[in-house]
Amino acid sequence: AQSVTQPDIHITVSEGASLELRCNYSYGATPYLFWYVQSPGQGLQLLLKYFSGDTLVQGIKGFEAEFKRSQSSFNLRKPSVHWSDAAEYFCAVGARSNDYKLSFGAGTTVTVRA
Amino acid sequence: DADVTQTPRNRITKTGKRIMLECSQTKGHDRMYWYRQDPGLGLRLIYYSFDVKDINKGEISDGYSVSRQAQAKFSLSLESAIPNQTALYFCATSDVPTAGAGNEQFFGPGTRLTVL
Repeated sequence: AQSVTQPDIHITVSEGASLELRCNYSYGATPYLFWYVQSPGQGLQLLLKYFSGDTLVQGIKGFEAEFKRSQSSFNLRKPSVHWSDAAEYFCAVGARSNDYKLSFGAGTTVTVRA
Repeated sequence: DADVTQTPRNRITKTGKRIMLECSQTKGHDRMYWYRQDPGLGLRLIYYSFDVKDINKGEISDGYSVSRQAQAKFSLSLESAIPNQTALYFCATSDVPTAGAGNEQFFGPGTRLTVL
């Protein structure tokens, strides 16, 4: 069965500093990987996705993520954080063998300090 | 207008009451999903439907039922609500996956349910 681990429950970062959120998945074949963001009181918005091809993917709001098969990871990065990036971030994995249903990590809450 | 809408957005109810959460979408997608979100647990799949005649249980379906009234509508019911069903509920939709690509899911704004 597929599963997703987000090791960091909460991260605090200063505005303008870089941010990296970790995501590890468990699945035998190549998974479909997603990062979603949930701002307070809002639904989930897709930041970026990886299906195949270039392992470094660009998303919205200046985010990027890198798929590393050898490490079973799909970490999310942003070079310079803005106060509006304070939110909860979810990594998700889907697979053809599981009818493409998504399994979500527990989420990482990001706090941005001035 | 939002592509995926949920009603109500907030609901407080009492133990033992029947409650229905509704989801509508204008994206034309065949696939629809219901999740619940609890702090520290992420999103967990309750039920999913790949078309009007296809409904499947997710990982935590006990205590819930669903109805797919049309391609655009997917309702979640709690027949007899209990306090541990207090959570944030999300509806999502996706298109049928194509070869070589997965399927992105599009989420509604959520319904915050409190069971007293």
